[in-house]
Amino acid sequence: EDQVTQSPEALRLQEGESSSLNCSYTVSGLRGLFWYRQDPGKGPEFLFTLYSAGEEKEKERLKATLTKKESFLHITAPKPEDSATYLCAVQAGDKLVFGAGTILRVKS
Amino acid sequence: DTGVSQNPRHKITKRGQNVTFRCDPISEHNRLYWYRQTLGQGPEFLTYFQNEAQLEKSRLLSDRFSAERPKGSFSTLEIQRTEQGDSAMYLCASSPHGDTQYFGPGTRLTVL
Repeated sequence: EDQVTQSPEALRLQEGESSSLNCSYTVSGLRGLFWYRQDPGKGPEFLFTLYSAGEEKEKERLKATLTKKESFLHITAPKPEDSATYLCAVQAGDKLVFGAGTILRVKS
Repeated sequence: DTGVSQNPRHKITKRGQNVTFRCDPISEHNRLYWYRQTLGQGPEFLTYFQNEAQLEKSRLLSDRFSAERPKGSFSTLEIQRTEQGDSAMYLCASSPHGDTQYFGPGTRLTVL
């Protein structure tokens, strides 16, 4: 069964304190791994798509990497506005299978 | 490109009532998806359209749920005889080629 597990469930950082979020997955034939950001009461906002092991994507303070079993979202020198829930998903057929997310809080 | 839009944004209803939600995808996106999200969980797939054809339905989609996309543009999701367990955020997404999905703001349903 296709499955996505994210850790930690919640993460508190001080402004400027870099860290990483983990996404472990099992899927038969990875067609794509996606990272989204979700603010409270809003829909997920697309961040990155990764297609193959070794691939990396960057956007501002965020960098996503992919191996054959997991993906990491690295956050460098975070700011309070980076506070959100970060969701990881894998494409299973025509649908996305999501993890439960990591709630990130960045304090100034 | 104005993004995916959903209406209404919030809906409060009494148990047993029927509700209908609308989704307008990004123009020229031929794929449209419905997901449901409960508190503390990631979105769960409900159903998917390519143009006007409904190609896949999750077992989560009981016979009280029906979705349509009559002209291959906007879509509606109807829930009949709502139950308290139907309370959730209902999310719509669209995709041009079946890979990256772009989500709307969601419709939050509360069943009293």
